[in-house]
Amino acid sequence: GAVVSQHPSWVICKSGTSVKIECRSLDFQATTMFWYRQFPKQSLMLMATSNEGSKATYEQGVEKDKFLINHASLTLSTLTVTSAHPEDSSFYICSARRGSPGLAGGETQYFGPGTRLLVL
Amino acid sequence: EDQVTQSPEALRLQEGESSSLNCSYTVSGLRGLFWYRQDPGKGPEFLFTLYSAGEEKEKERLKATLTKKESFLHITAPKPEDSATYLCAVQGDNSGAGSYQLTFGKGTKLSVIP
Repeated sequence: GAVVSQHPSWVICKSGTSVKIECRSLDFQATTMFWYRQFPKQSLMLMATSNEGSKATYEQGVEKDKFLINHASLTLSTLTVTSAHPEDSSFYICSARRGSPGLAGGETQYFGPGTRLLVL
Repeated sequence: EDQVTQSPEALRLQEGESSSLNCSYTVSGLRGLFWYRQDPGKGPEFLFTLYSAGEEKEKERLKATLTKKESFLHITAPKPEDSATYLCAVQGDNSGAGSYQLTFGKGTKLSVIP
């Protein structure tokens, strides 16, 4: 169990266009989903935290009007990169938090396979 | 502010040569320490969650241990398919006001040579 999917796995678009990335938890309900960005040979950088039915919380320096996040259901969150530019080219990864009922302590995040975005 | 430091940055092992990866952390109230494996061009794959000092978990050739200041990922008799980047992350009491955010280290890139 605990499978997270992302679609598309890669996308190439022209500068100025918008791109939507979907993140789905396939076999569990995810109250919270997270969006990360990863540059080559670097670790994951958290962009935003998304709770079902409420507005996303963005990390400092991340433009909320550029990276639109919608978490409409317990199994689906979307990230839309609006008016994409070449500097937005990156590897975008989502994760979903799966609670561990009865266990004290933290809760595990399960990650999707990532989406490679190339803006020309 | 939570901090995670992983060492070494890169590690080359001969097949069958056991070793350990280190994850040192500072956190206000540890809620969990997580180990992930990441292959090139893919998302992190969950390996272990450790909650308290003294806890150990095993999966095939991997064993994770936890103290109050650091965690080790022990790799016994590694195989070439164990080659990947191993990421350590912590979740503390101050992780984004209940949002369960993770703070990641930069990872250790492991290469196992046949």
